[in-house]
Amino acid sequence: AQKVTQAQTEISVVEKEDVTLDCVYETRDTTYYLFWYKQPPSGELVFLIRRNSFDEQNEISGRYSWNFQKSTSSFNFTITASQVVDSAVYFCALSEYGANNLFFGTGTRLTVIP
Amino acid sequence: KAGVTQTPRYLIKTRGQQVTLSCSPISGHRSVSWYQQTPGQGLQFLFEYFSETQRNKGNFPGRFSGRQFSNSRSEMNVSTLELGDSALYLCASSDGRDYYEQYFGPGTRLTVT
Repeated sequence: AQKVTQAQTEISVVEKEDVTLDCVYETRDTTYYLFWYKQPPSGELVFLIRRNSFDEQNEISGRYSWNFQKSTSSFNFTITASQVVDSAVYFCALSEYGANNLFFGTGTRLTVIP
Repeated sequence: KAGVTQTPRYLIKTRGQQVTLSCSPISGHRSVSWYQQTPGQGLQFLFEYFSETQRNKGNFPGRFSGRQFSNSRSEMNVSTLELGDSALYLCASSDGRDYYEQYFGPGTRLTVT
């Protein structure tokens, strides 16, 4: 069975600090996809990144970076120089290869204080 | 390109009633998935429709059903509403070419009293 754990329920940082959101997953599949979504107060989930299980390269997109480590079943997300607009709930999710259903973690609420 | 739209955005129903929610995917997308979000259970997958056929189903009772039309628009129906059905219902669409990248709508907030 698939399971995604986001142990950090809430995080507060001061603007311009770096912050890392943790994600640990469980799956018996050898092929799977991992995702990060952002949910601002408006409620709409915004896609941030997708990673497949064969691609362990870290990725950087502007102030965002992702660290995928298959050995520890982790897919962590770092925001560098945080901004107030980064305040949101962030969800890590997993899907099986060939399926379109996402298993979500419980989310981490990030508050960036000006 | 217009995003995923969901109607209505807010809904208040009484226990025992039924409700129908609508989702219009991004133009050209053929897959529509539905999710329920509650404070207690988080985000949970309900079902997915692709080319008018239900392709995948989550672990929800039969009171939750859906359908997809030939234009890819989808509806979700919940019969005999219970207080625990109060939730944000999110719809997501994907285009099949980038199969696993789902785009979410703003959701319908359902309150059951």
